[in-house]
Amino acid sequence: DIQMTQSPSTLSASVGDRVTITCRASQSISRWLAWYQQKPGKAPKLLIYEASTLESGVPSRFSGSASGTEFTLTISSLQPDDFATYYCQQYNSYPYTFGQGTKLEIK
Amino acid sequence: QLQLQESGPGLVKPSETLSLTCSVSGGSISNNNYYWGWIRQPPGKGLEWIGSVYYSGSTYYNPSLKSRVTISVDTSRDQFSLKLSSVTAADTAVYYCAVDSTGGWPFWGQGVLVTVSS
Repeated sequence: DIQMTQSPSTLSASVGDRVTITCRASQSISRWLAWYQQKPGKAPKLLIYEASTLESGVPSRFSGSASGTEFTLTISSLQPDDFATYYCQQYNSYPYTFGQGTKLEIK
Repeated sequence: QLQLQESGPGLVKPSETLSLTCSVSGGSISNNNYYWGWIRQPPGKGLEWIGSVYYSGSTYYNPSLKSRVTISVDTSRDQFSLKLSSVTAADTAVYYCAVDSTGGWPFWGQGVLVTVSS
């Protein structure tokens, strides 16, 4: 199985901050990497797919990038609605696997 | 816009079989661009992929659950189903159905909490 190592586990930040979350794959997944946002009691919401393609309707302050097996999700200027838990997912090969999640908290 | 809705019992006894159905609306389950998948999330924990099915019936399962999982599709009803046998308390989770595509998983059901308890 491909292991996805996500960091940090928790991130405290303020409205307006720029934040970055990282996900590292244990082997090559090409660009088959997605990022999701999840709020309590809700299903995950797709933000980015193919490492850097913004899903329709997602604000442009969200962006994704890739370098080899390292992937990053950046939020350029945090908004109050962005405080949530974020997960990466590789869908290069079965079994699909997720990072352990990053909880983004208000500082 | 595709919409998915899970249904099934919220309480299952240990050693029994968990059965859930996902109903698809706003499109056809026979769409050849998509697989249809199940993911679960134990309370307070992360996401685990269970498996995916194509409209033709071909399936992929998580090896960690493969011996206990069956996912099937009913194209006449635009539904797909999950069966997980011999459940234990460790199978207590919110179960989601979702679209599995080359563009990630863009559409999800709201999720259903299944508790395994006697």
